[in-house]
Amino acid sequence: NAGVTQTPKFQVLKTGQSMTLQCAQDMNHNSMYWYRQDPGMGLRLIYYSASEGTTDKGEVPNGYNVSRLNKREFSLRLESAAPSQTSVYFCATGESYNEQFFGPGTRLTVL
Amino acid sequence: KQEVTQIPAALSVPEGENLVLNCSFTDSAIYNLQWFRQDPGKGLTSLLLIQSSQREQTSGRLNASLDKSSGRSTLYIAASQPGDSATYLCAVRPGSAGGFKTIFGAGTRLFVKA
Repeated sequence: NAGVTQTPKFQVLKTGQSMTLQCAQDMNHNSMYWYRQDPGMGLRLIYYSASEGTTDKGEVPNGYNVSRLNKREFSLRLESAAPSQTSVYFCATGESYNEQFFGPGTRLTVL
Repeated sequence: KQEVTQIPAALSVPEGENLVLNCSFTDSAIYNLQWFRQDPGKGLTSLLLIQSSQREQTSGRLNASLDKSSGRSTLYIAASQPGDSATYLCAVRPGSAGGFKTIFGAGTRLFVKA
């Protein structure tokens, strides 16, 4: 089993460009999450999906949109990238309030 | 608002030493607390999960304790090895309606010298 997979692994964008980060899990978990990690800031929750068909804002949702495509897939979209969105993005899954499992991350640079 | 603090930010110890990493949180109303390990350039690996009703959890050389009333958790690593070198993160799930909004500490960077 692959666990949690994320694509792409690396991405460089110019300011104003758009892109979608993909996340897929084969753990049959109901809940999925998107985090960003910045030096000295720890991980911060962008959006989460408690179950298929639902999404909710986390701590830093501005500038992002999400789609829970089905139980396995949860995508994060940047409509108009800004340099402040340069970060490492992690997807995670879990069952309800229990243990979370993370993907390998996507390193995004916005010039 | 829940805040999670990890002190120290960095720690260097000789191989074989027993060590304790600290995690403190401001609101004792939590659902659970999870410890992770992160290697450079990698994702997070789950180490231990402690439910709010538990006092401690153990896995191999790792032992995590939880004292909700004082807002503290510790991760004890026995007989440290160079392979333990990594950043250790704690994460708190707030209780009641905020359970999906996990709050992370900034981490403790551990270096174990051979």
